[in-house]
Amino acid sequence: GENVEQHPSTLSVQEGDSAVIKCTYSDSASNYFPWYKQELGKRPQLIIDIRSNVGEKKDQRIAVTLNKTAKHFSLHITETQPEDSAVYFCAATLDTGRRALTFGSGTRLQVQP
Amino acid sequence: SAVISQKPSRDICQRGTSLTIQCQVDSQVTMMFWYRQQPGQSLTLIATANQGSEATYESGFVIDKFPISRPNLTFSTLTVSNMSPEDSSIYLCSTDRGLAGNEQFFGPGTRLTVL
Repeated sequence: GENVEQHPSTLSVQEGDSAVIKCTYSDSASNYFPWYKQELGKRPQLIIDIRSNVGEKKDQRIAVTLNKTAKHFSLHITETQPEDSAVYFCAATLDTGRRALTFGSGTRLQVQP
Repeated sequence: SAVISQKPSRDICQRGTSLTIQCQVDSQVTMMFWYRQQPGQSLTLIATANQGSEATYESGFVIDKFPISRPNLTFSTLTVSNMSPEDSSIYLCSTDRGLAGNEQFFGPGTRLTVL
């Protein structure tokens, strides 16, 4: 089955700096890669996703890149703000058949004001 | 996005008892998923629930411990049976509605504490 590894486990940045979180996956058949943000005591919220037919996707300050050959994908947050502080999870799945997500271990991002 | 509700939002239970968690979606969906999130950990899939068929369980999870019902296309229940303190977790249901792209949305979770 799919295995997703995520690094780093914690990340502390100064407000305004960029943050990068990286994930690798094991199943070359996976073709859908979402990122979730989870604030304390809240449900995971989808913030951006990417499919295997594109290499990069951007939404304002957030971008995701995908390297299918190397089987890794990354989340980039620019101009970080204190409200970006949360736990971020990457995930992977095949969007047909099983469709359940396999999650990475999570990254706790702390943005220092 | 899908609107997903769960009941109860939290509960404190005694070991050896069982708790049934309900998940309601605001529209008909094919697949519903149940995840467990242990304190400070990531999300782990327990099982996938399809309407009209037996749930499919992941390695390490068994039907006797986590029976699931899926009586219709908007509702599912997960029971945590014969609970022990190790079952203390947040249990989340989710669905992707089968949309192209499979964006998956989560319920608010049920925080279970077993004494």
